[in-house]
Amino acid sequence: EIMLTQSPATLSLSPGERATLSCRASQSVSNYLAWYQQKPGQAPRLLMYGASNRATGIPARFSGSGSGTEFALTISSLEPDDFAVYYCQQHSGWPRTFGQGTKVEIK
Amino acid sequence: EEQLLESGGDLVQPGGSLRLSCAASGFTFSAYAMHWVRQAPGKGLEWVSTITGSGSDRYYRDSVKGRSTISRDNSKNTLYLQMNRLRAEDTAVYYCTKGPGSFEYWGQGTLVTVSS
Repeated sequence: EIMLTQSPATLSLSPGERATLSCRASQSVSNYLAWYQQKPGQAPRLLMYGASNRATGIPARFSGSGSGTEFALTISSLEPDDFAVYYCQQHSGWPRTFGQGTKVEIK
Repeated sequence: EEQLLESGGDLVQPGGSLRLSCAASGFTFSAYAMHWVRQAPGKGLEWVSTITGSGSDRYYRDSVKGRSTISRDNSKNTLYLQMNRLRAEDTAVYYCTKGPGSFEYWGQGTLVTVSS
């Protein structure tokens, strides 16, 4: 099973600041990595696929990078709507696995 | 507009059974792999099962293998998850999702509670 480790667990930032979230895989997943945003009481929403491709309707302030075992999601300037939990997920192997999540909270 | 609408969640006793359904609309259902992903209360996301567009291939996480069956009816645009011998640790919101590999669209989920 491919383990995904996200860091940090919590990121405390102010609106307008830059957020960088990390996701590390226990073995290479090539670029078969996605990022999701989840707000309380809502279903997750796909942000990025193929490590660096924004999903439909996702603002340009979100960007993804990395390949192999090291990945990052960057939010260039946090908007109030961006405070949420973010998960990475790999679809390189079975079982599909998620990271444990990073909570981006208002400082 | 794409839509996924789950149903079938309920309170069930340990050892019981439940069938979840997911009605899909707004896209060519048979062209997409479909998935079930769950989230226990206050916890993270956990992939449960996947079925290919034709239904020919199915995949399960180990903890539900042998107890659960994923299926689909492409004539009804509906995905199913039959869950048997339910355990307390199966308690979660179950989401239906679509996508080739990443989960590009999600339903709002249905709550399954396993408790006596």
